[in-house]
Amino acid sequence: DAGVIQSPRHEVTEMGQEVTLRCKPISGHNSLFWYRQTMMRGLELLIYFNNNVPIDDSGMPEDRFSAKMPNASFSTLKIQPSEPRDSAVYFCASSPGTGSIIRDEQYFGPGTRLTVT
Amino acid sequence: GIQVEQSPPDLILQEGANSTLRCNFSDSVNNLQWFHQNPWGQLINLFYIPSGTKQNGRLSATTVATERYSLLYISSSQTTDSGVYFCAVLRVGEKLTFGTGTRLTIIP
Repeated sequence: DAGVIQSPRHEVTEMGQEVTLRCKPISGHNSLFWYRQTMMRGLELLIYFNNNVPIDDSGMPEDRFSAKMPNASFSTLKIQPSEPRDSAVYFCASSPGTGSIIRDEQYFGPGTRLTVT
Repeated sequence: GIQVEQSPPDLILQEGANSTLRCNFSDSVNNLQWFHQNPWGQLINLFYIPSGTKQNGRLSATTVATERYSLLYISSSQTTDSGVYFCAVLRVGEKLTFGTGTRLTIIP
């Protein structure tokens, strides 16, 4: 298996633009997680899905952020409009388990480094 | 919310040495996990360990939930162990909370 695939690996955009990050989980995994990592705030769980259904989105910072999982093999994280403080590395992870966000082993993608100027 | 502190913040060791990383948390938790982020940014799960002791090769972890801490032991360190080690805790009804990490550097 190719592991969790994220695209793009790097994204540079201007403030106010829409940004879409993409994630393909490992085939057969039924839980998917989006994380953000910054120097100031460290690692944060933004949202996670189980069987394509959002279970907990309490980590989504504000309404400018939205995430979807239209099917078991694809998820997007969208920021509209983007702001410089959104600059971060965004990780996607998947796990084969029941949606327990900490019991099940998670497999991480390589991350997308987002820079908003 | 729950506070998570990791110590030491930085640790530099010679290859072959043993190390102990600590994670303290401010309140009772239902779950705890350790992660490793290598120097290239890749994140890897190490242990799910809300209580007790687990071992995986040269790594082991112990969580004493009643005293609100967890320890990660690395024996016979190798350069590939370098990176940042995070613990994350979960308390029912609250957000998953990560510590600020311990940066480990193993010198050949």
